[in-house]
Amino acid sequence: GENVEQHPSTLSVQEGDSAVIKCTYSDSASNYFPWYKQELGKRPQLIIDIRSNVGEKKDQRIAVTLNKTAKHFSLHITETQPEDSAVYFCAAPSGSWGKLQFGAGTQVVVTP
Amino acid sequence: DGGITQSPKYLFRKEGQNVTLSCEQNLNHDAMYWYRQDPGQGLRLIYYSQIVNDFQKGDIAEGYSVSREKKESFPLTVTSAQKNPTAFYLCASSIVPGNNEQFFGPGTRLTVL
Repeated sequence: GENVEQHPSTLSVQEGDSAVIKCTYSDSASNYFPWYKQELGKRPQLIIDIRSNVGEKKDQRIAVTLNKTAKHFSLHITETQPEDSAVYFCAAPSGSWGKLQFGAGTQVVVTP
Repeated sequence: DGGITQSPKYLFRKEGQNVTLSCEQNLNHDAMYWYRQDPGQGLRLIYYSQIVNDFQKGDIAEGYSVSREKKESFPLTVTSAQKNPTAFYLCASSIVPGNNEQFFGPGTRLTVL
């Protein structure tokens, strides 16, 4: 099955700086890579996803890049704000029909 | 926050008791999933169902059971065989076939006393 590794496990940034989280996956056939944000005590929510037919996708201050050759994808948050503080999870397809394998998560702390 | 709901929000259980966590969705999704989340850890798949009356074990199914009698509902029973059930339980659903966004419920926090 798919194996997803996520780094770093914690990330502390100053407000206004950029944050980058990287994930690697093992199955070269994987074609869908979502990122979820989970605030404390809340449900994970999708913030951005990318499919394997593109190399980059942006949505305002958030972007995801995909390197299929190296089998890794990254989340980039620019101009970080305190409300960006949360746990971020990456994921990749695992087997059939919608199953996802999640990374272990990155705790992002944005300090004013 | 409609779409997928879980109840109760908090649940306390005595050792040796079975408890059932509810998950309901009105998104008309075929696939539903149960995850367990422990402090500081990721999401681990317990069970999943791709269609009514069918379900499959995930990575940590031991001590848990599920049913899928209706498309909208996917209850999870935590049995007394689960050695360490205290955790945050999340239900999710998605459109299948294909890989698409999973929508999560608000979660149930289970504590064993």
